[in-house]
Amino acid sequence: EVQLEESGGGLVQPGGSLTLSCAASGFTFGSFWMTWVRQAPGRGLEWVASIKQDGGEENYVDSVRGRFTISRDNAKKSLYLQMNTVRAEDTAVYYCARQTYYYGSGKYYIIYDYWGRGTLVTVSS
Amino acid sequence: DIQMTQSPSSLFASAGDRVSITCRTSQNITSHLNWYQQKPGKAPKLLIYGASSLHTGVPSRFSGSGTGTDFTLIISSLQPEDFATYYCQQGHSTPPITFGQGTRLGIK
Repeated sequence: EVQLEESGGGLVQPGGSLTLSCAASGFTFGSFWMTWVRQAPGRGLEWVASIKQDGGEENYVDSVRGRFTISRDNAKKSLYLQMNTVRAEDTAVYYCARQTYYYGSGKYYIIYDYWGRGTLVTVSS
Repeated sequence: DIQMTQSPSSLFASAGDRVSITCRTSQNITSHLNWYQQKPGKAPKLLIYGASSLHTGVPSRFSGSGTGTDFTLIISSLQPEDFATYYCQQGHSTPPITFGQGTRLGIK
């Protein structure tokens, strides 16, 4: 059974730092891209960052680029999100998700087929 | 970036009803549209990928259709466990991945 479990959320002051972790099990972690998606209170889903299987490629939403760093440790089957210089607008539940590619209509496209339960990050003084 | 617009933003129905939710994209994404269900306090769950393919374990009362820029999620006969928020997501042109704003399906 595929399982993803986030940890590391909590209260952090504006300008501070926090590191989120996601422990994976039930699948070959090193064979998949992985992603962080967040959801601000009462709001919709927002893609944050993704990382390639070997860590050799990272993508970020504009609002976090230069402040957040996604990384992974395939030996530990773990995904991370280092959050620096956090702002009030970073307050959200952060989900890790497994990223899968399917082929259709002539090209590959992205699906998030399994998600963790999320961890809440609150940025406040 | 591809913009996603869902309608309606909220919908109220009764058990047994047939409901449909629409997702419109700002660019042609062929069939690269996915649907998720989220219940309060829970993680999103994949329902449909590639516009019309059911994910493993998803009941057949859920169906999806559409291509290009216009897509529809249909629930043929609402069950009590279907009251939730539904999101569409484009996986065609990335990054960034973009989601619709969500459609809250409530009990009438």
